[in-house]
Amino acid sequence: DAGVTQSPTHLIKTRGQQVTLRCSPKSGHDTVSWYQQALGQGPQFIFQYYEEEERQRGNFPDRFSGHQFPNYSSELNVNALLLGDSALYLCASSQGTGSNEKLFFGSGTQLSVL
Amino acid sequence: RKEVEQDPGPFNVPEGATVAFNCTYSNSASQSFFWYRQDCRKEPKLLMSVYSSGNEDGRFTAQLNRASQYISLLIRDSKLSDSATYLCVVIYNTDKLIFGTGTRLQVFP
Repeated sequence: DAGVTQSPTHLIKTRGQQVTLRCSPKSGHDTVSWYQQALGQGPQFIFQYYEEEERQRGNFPDRFSGHQFPNYSSELNVNALLLGDSALYLCASSQGTGSNEKLFFGSGTQLSVL
Repeated sequence: RKEVEQDPGPFNVPEGATVAFNCTYSNSASQSFFWYRQDCRKEPKLLMSVYSSGNEDGRFTAQLNRASQYISLLIRDSKLSDSATYLCVVIYNTDKLIFGTGTRLQVFP
């Protein structure tokens, strides 16, 4: 039973570019949340997807957008990359909403913006 | 003021020592509380939930003080394998985990 899988594991981009990160939830999970973790900081909530809709959003600009597909996988898109977007991007999945204790995290995508 | 605050450490302790971490949160409407463990640049993993009555899991004890809005984690008989960053997590809005910055623990022989 595969856990949460994210791709790619590492990515290097330059300022102004656009990036797409991918996440496949744990089998049986239908909810995906995205977090950004800058070096030396705790993860910060970006947004959550359930039933192919964005259900909650953290304090991130519109440059951060996402999508959930019918198979529950999800993408995180970041446009017009800034140096400050360099971080570890974590995807977490769960079954339904409100099941906070049952969050499973993927190993993340390390994004470096040069 | 940050929603969840932790001393970033590092805490350097010898094997066998007892070490305690504290965490404070600002929103009195917070509903659920957890400690997560994160190894270097890996994903956070749930260590334990925190209940008002206090709870214990082997060498780990968690406490919650709602009146003072703080959470604690006590690790007894520290092992080298306990070296990691410990993240305090609070939930007051369904499904949105609020993480502290983490406290780094280094256990030395």
